[in-house]
Amino acid sequence: NAGVTQTPKFQVLKTGQSMTLQCAQDMNHNSMYWYRQDPGMGLRLIYYSASEGTTDKGEVPNGYNVSRLNKREFSLRLESAAPSQTSVYFCASDTGTAWAMNTEAFFGQGTRLTVV
Amino acid sequence: KQEVTQIPAALSVPEGENLVLNCSFTDSAIYNLQWFRQDPGKGLTSLLLIQSSQREQTSGRLNASLDKSSGRSTLYIAASQPGDSATYLCAVRTQGGSEKLVFGKGTKLTVNP
Repeated sequence: NAGVTQTPKFQVLKTGQSMTLQCAQDMNHNSMYWYRQDPGMGLRLIYYSASEGTTDKGEVPNGYNVSRLNKREFSLRLESAAPSQTSVYFCASDTGTAWAMNTEAFFGQGTRLTVV
Repeated sequence: KQEVTQIPAALSVPEGENLVLNCSFTDSAIYNLQWFRQDPGKGLTSLLLIQSSQREQTSGRLNASLDKSSGRSTLYIAASQPGDSATYLCAVRTQGGSEKLVFGKGTKLTVNP
């Protein structure tokens, strides 16, 4: 039972390089999310996808793009990495708003990204 | 805008002690509240989910309570063990808008042998 799987687990980029973080879930969840976690800032939502084919900005979307490839996969792209994007990135999924009262979120293990 | 606060930011206790972690939120119009555990360098593991109509949920030595009207939740850990050492985060799912989770910054718990 894999749950939410993120790749890669670690990455070092040079300023200006691009990369895509991959996320896949096997729980047939409708909604998927990308968060970043920074010391003292907590978890902040970057982008989310309420359902296949839709994406919306979260709290800190600048410098990122996302693609909801299908119901299982949600990728996060950094087009031109900056040192301020050094962070731990988490992907999450849940059943979505149709069952909001008992909607439970599940998280991947994270991607540690360093931009030098 | 929903804001979630967790106090204290860090807590150190001796093994065997019962302890309470606190979570408060500003907007009481929530669908549910979720408690997570995060070990260093790891992802978030869901511990308990309390729906807005519920008062508490229990799992093993963990008991989470919810007082929606006052905007408060507590996570009670009985007979703490060194293996309970981790950061505990609470998150609320607010009604209206897109029902996204809003997180507190967590309480870092250390249980000393």
